[in-house]
Amino acid sequence: DVKVTQSSRYLVKRTGEKVFLECVQDMDHENMFWYRQDPGLGLRLIYFSYDVKMKEKGDIPEGYSVSREKKERFSLILESASTNQTSMYLCASTETQPGPNEQYFGPGTRLTVT
Amino acid sequence: AQTVTQSQPEMSVQEAETVTLSCTYDTSESDYYLFWYKQPPSRQMILVIRQEAYKQQNATENRFSVNFQKAAKSFSLKISDSQLGDAAMYFCAYRSRNNNDMRFGAGTRLTVKP
Repeated sequence: DVKVTQSSRYLVKRTGEKVFLECVQDMDHENMFWYRQDPGLGLRLIYFSYDVKMKEKGDIPEGYSVSREKKERFSLILESASTNQTSMYLCASTETQPGPNEQYFGPGTRLTVT
Repeated sequence: AQTVTQSQPEMSVQEAETVTLSCTYDTSESDYYLFWYKQPPSRQMILVIRQEAYKQQNATENRFSVNFQKAAKSFSLKISDSQLGDAAMYFCAYRSRNNNDMRFGAGTRLTVKP
């Protein structure tokens, strides 16, 4: 089974702190994604990566950056956390082969910024 | 940009009954994939069912089936013989054939009453 893990289920940080959210997948997937999930808004794409050291902005990249130094690991960085970044963060991965490939999700990190 | 709309924020169904969740999408593309994902309370998001746009036959997975109306850009999910374990948030998602990032709807929270 594909496994996507995230470093924390719950995280509380203070405004202005630098925050790292880690995601690791064990299926050698090329593509990895970071979403934030908010009530009434569904999942919105922050960043994705289709290869090591490659990254693409999603729909809401402002205030975030990412790092992908190894194929299995994709990190989301909040350079200076703000209260409007309080949310559920979901990581996902998928393979590149043609077809209706599903995205496999991690359990999520619920981040609270106070 | 493609958009996905789920017009029912909440739905409820009696155990053993049938329920249909609605999803519409907007795209100018002719070849794409559609998905329904389930997110149980405090658990990981998992794929329920998927549909390839060029296939006219509606996908089915056990008690789950879809009604795919390409011309109407509609992709509803039918859950038959509802079970308590079906209670979850359900997300409809769209993916273009030519890239790997998905567009998600806002979600529908399904409650199953015993």
